[in-house]
Amino acid sequence: GESVGLHLPTLSVQEGDNSIINCAYSNSASDYFIWYKQESGKGPQFIIDIRSNMDKRQGQRVTVLLNKTVKHLSLQIAATQPGDSAVYFCAENNAGNMLTFGGGTRLMVKP
Amino acid sequence: DSGVTQTPKHLITATGQRVTLRCSPRSGDLSVYWYQQSLDQGLQFLIQYYNGEERAKGNILERFSAQQFPDLHSELNLSSLELGDSALYFCASSPMTDADTQYFGPGTRLTVL
Repeated sequence: GESVGLHLPTLSVQEGDNSIINCAYSNSASDYFIWYKQESGKGPQFIIDIRSNMDKRQGQRVTVLLNKTVKHLSLQIAATQPGDSAVYFCAENNAGNMLTFGGGTRLMVKP
Repeated sequence: DSGVTQTPKHLITATGQRVTLRCSPRSGDLSVYWYQQSLDQGLQFLIQYYNGEERAKGNILERFSAQQFPDLHSELNLSSLELGDSALYFCASSPMTDADTQYFGPGTRLTVL
């Protein structure tokens, strides 16, 4: 498969455990944040988003936490499954429509 | 399936050549974005079009250009290709221009030999 980066930080978790992927963003004026999942050979897939007037948002098995004080975003995946193995990117929207992506974290789920 | 389509899936060409990548946005989306993903630089925003007009520019080289047609599909033209242009090129679309979720297509893998 195609890789999306040779030097990505990697998080390795056991199937069924919870995963936490962290992201530091750069612009304190950013008002919208998105987490994307990218599987090998595919385009980034939307997972969950959050606006700057919130500090937590929950989806199905995923939760995003936003800490504006320290400019930190995290993605929590509950009961991680093998299908969750992918590269995860956070993105910030700070110019109305331009997304700035983080470097990505590779999640590996061990059966 | 995001609803965004891109063609071709793979493209192999030589240095100095010119290629055109095509993108069809999700039904109803007016904004189209182009991104480049290379191994050493991650996902980089190139350019955005909204309803046929250029809306925002990112790190797009002068050798690259894009347009959006009346039917809202978009093309990214890459000319005088160099080895370093080898990358994945993604198109994304969203309904509007403001802070909106962008939905990505499957990408075009360009290899310049």
